[in-house]
Amino acid sequence: AQKITQTQPGMFVQEKEAVTLDCTYDTSDPSYGLFWYKQPSSGEMIFLIYQGSYDQQNATEGRYSLNFQKARKSANLVISASQLGDSAMYFCAMREAHYLNDMRFGAGTRLTVKP
Amino acid sequence: DTEVTQTPKHLVMGMTNKKSLKCEQHMGHRAMYWYKQKAKKPPELMFVYSYEKLSINESVPSRFSPECPNSSLLNLHLHALQPEDSALYLCASSEWGTPHGYTFGSGTRLTVV
Repeated sequence: AQKITQTQPGMFVQEKEAVTLDCTYDTSDPSYGLFWYKQPSSGEMIFLIYQGSYDQQNATEGRYSLNFQKARKSANLVISASQLGDSAMYFCAMREAHYLNDMRFGAGTRLTVKP
Repeated sequence: DTEVTQTPKHLVMGMTNKKSLKCEQHMGHRAMYWYKQKAKKPPELMFVYSYEKLSINESVPSRFSPECPNSSLLNLHLHALQPEDSALYLCASSEWGTPHGYTFGSGTRLTVV
């Protein structure tokens, strides 16, 4: 069974600085997708970034980048130039090709951006 | 239209009530999902529909009854719920059979009294 681990329950970062949120995963499926979602206090899950297991380059989306280290099974999210609006819960998630459509989430990391 | 719309946004119901949650998408996605999220916890998968047929039921109690009347609509019928069922209920949709991400609705905050 797939497993996603986020070991940082909470993180603090100063506004305008960069922050890395950790995520490790475990799967025996060679084909999978890794995702990061942001969940503000309002509740909606906002898609941030996607990395496919066969992608050669790390994914980037604006201020978000994914540090994908396949051999270590890690997919850390890097947020550059943090903004106050980045304060939220962040979830790492994975989908495996052989589990139909079954996305599972890590426990999440609460990020607080300080002014 | 790249949204998943959930109604209502908030719902308070008694343990003897019957209510329904509604989810709608017009992105042509053929997979739709219900997740339950308790406070400070990650979303937990409840049901998966593919091509309007139930493909995954994560051992959810029968007081939760999903329905997919067509490819754009997903309902969750609620009956005789318990206070511990109070949670945020998230609907999502995705393309079927691809490793791409889900599009989530903004959720329904359910309180059972």
